[in-house]
Amino acid sequence: EAQVTQNPRYLITVTGKKLTVTCSQNMNHEYMSWYRQDPGLGLRQIYYSMNVEVTDKGDVPEGYKVSRKEKRNFPLILESPSPNQTSLYFCASIHISGDPSYEQYFGPGTRLTVT
Amino acid sequence: GQNIDQPTEMTATEGAIVQINCTYQTSGFNGLFWYQQHAGEAPTFLSYNVLDGLEEKGRFSSFLSRSKGYSYLLLKELQMKDSASYLCAVRVSSGNTPLVFGKGTRLSVIA
Repeated sequence: EAQVTQNPRYLITVTGKKLTVTCSQNMNHEYMSWYRQDPGLGLRQIYYSMNVEVTDKGDVPEGYKVSRKEKRNFPLILESPSPNQTSLYFCASIHISGDPSYEQYFGPGTRLTVT
Repeated sequence: GQNIDQPTEMTATEGAIVQINCTYQTSGFNGLFWYQQHAGEAPTFLSYNVLDGLEEKGRFSSFLSRSKGYSYLLLKELQMKDSASYLCAVRVSSGNTPLVFGKGTRLSVIA
């Protein structure tokens, strides 16, 4: 089954305690990205990766890091989380070569609360 | 620049028909997607249009006019479970982000 997985699904943490949210896809997609979603603001892209070892900033990258050492994995790292990073996070992947009708797949989401 | 506009909120009655509009101005166009997102859950794919016209899929239909930069999602025989956000997204042919999303339309279905 084609899917994007994320872990953990829910996380409550304290300010300054480093955390990693994992993301993995099984569709051999080149492009992966991380979004955060806050009420009234829609999906905002944090970071994206066009292929292995190629990552770049999205619209709201401050306070986040990513890596893409393997094609299937794209972890999101918060080195020193702050309360304004409390949000719902989605990992997503999509083919960028070939048929443009291929949909973008989303992970189930990670609800992060930073106190 | 990339710009996608859709209404923020809509309310409709169970059993009725509702039309959610989306207008876009993007650099390049390779098709338009509609996604459904229930609160707290991931967006799920509903439809894809790349040619002008109407695509029907059960109770849901999606229309595209490329010359007008316009699409709509039509939901018939509304059910309470259709209460969700509906996201319009354009597949662009240039730039670093292949899919540009609108902010979504929150639809409330009332009895």
